[in-house]
Amino acid sequence: EAGVAQSPRYKIIEKRQSVAFWCNPISGHATLYWYQQILGQGPKLLIQFQNNGVVDDSQLPKDRFSAERLKGVDSTLKIQPAKLEDSAVYLCASSSTSGGGNEQFFGPGTRLTVL
Amino acid sequence: AQSVTQLDSHVSVSEGTPVLLRCNYSSSYSPSLFWYVQHPNKGLQLLLKYTSAATLVKGINGFEAEFKKSETSFHLTKPSAHMSDAAEYFCVVPGSSNTGKLIFGQGTTLQVKP
Repeated sequence: EAGVAQSPRYKIIEKRQSVAFWCNPISGHATLYWYQQILGQGPKLLIQFQNNGVVDDSQLPKDRFSAERLKGVDSTLKIQPAKLEDSAVYLCASSSTSGGGNEQFFGPGTRLTVL
Repeated sequence: AQSVTQLDSHVSVSEGTPVLLRCNYSSSYSPSLFWYVQHPNKGLQLLLKYTSAATLVKGINGFEAEFKKSETSFHLTKPSAHMSDAAEYFCVVPGSSNTGKLIFGQGTTLQVKP
């Protein structure tokens, strides 16, 4: 079974530029998550999708971050404009259902450096 | 509100000696609890999961954890460390009972010395 795919693996941009990350979850997984992991910290949920609907985006900085999952499969996370504090690893995860005890499967992440 | 506290940011052991990574949790209801491991440049992987079926949970690679409600703890142990165990370990609790949101601890870096 193929895992969660993410691209690019690394991205370096200057502040105020825009950037987009792509995620393809495990086939058949209805729930998709984006997490932000700042160096030295645990991941923090940015947004959760159930199929193509948003379940939780309470921690997403909506003035600069946006995410979509138009067909309920792959997803894109965008930052525009980027700030220095956005430097982090962006992790995508998926699970078969959205319940609180379900295992989430994580992709390798995209490491973003904002200069 | 749900939260977890990992009591050690860094643990160093010698190969072949026991491993103990400590985690305390706070929950307004009886939670599921997880331990995830993150190797350098790799994705997070589930080590083990507690779901109230048994208080002693066995996971992959010889790790296990014991849920102690009276102490609100879920410490991770392994009898004998291997060099390949060197990684970042996260104690995790669901943010709610009906969504998938996970609350991660700050992480514990495990160093294994030859």
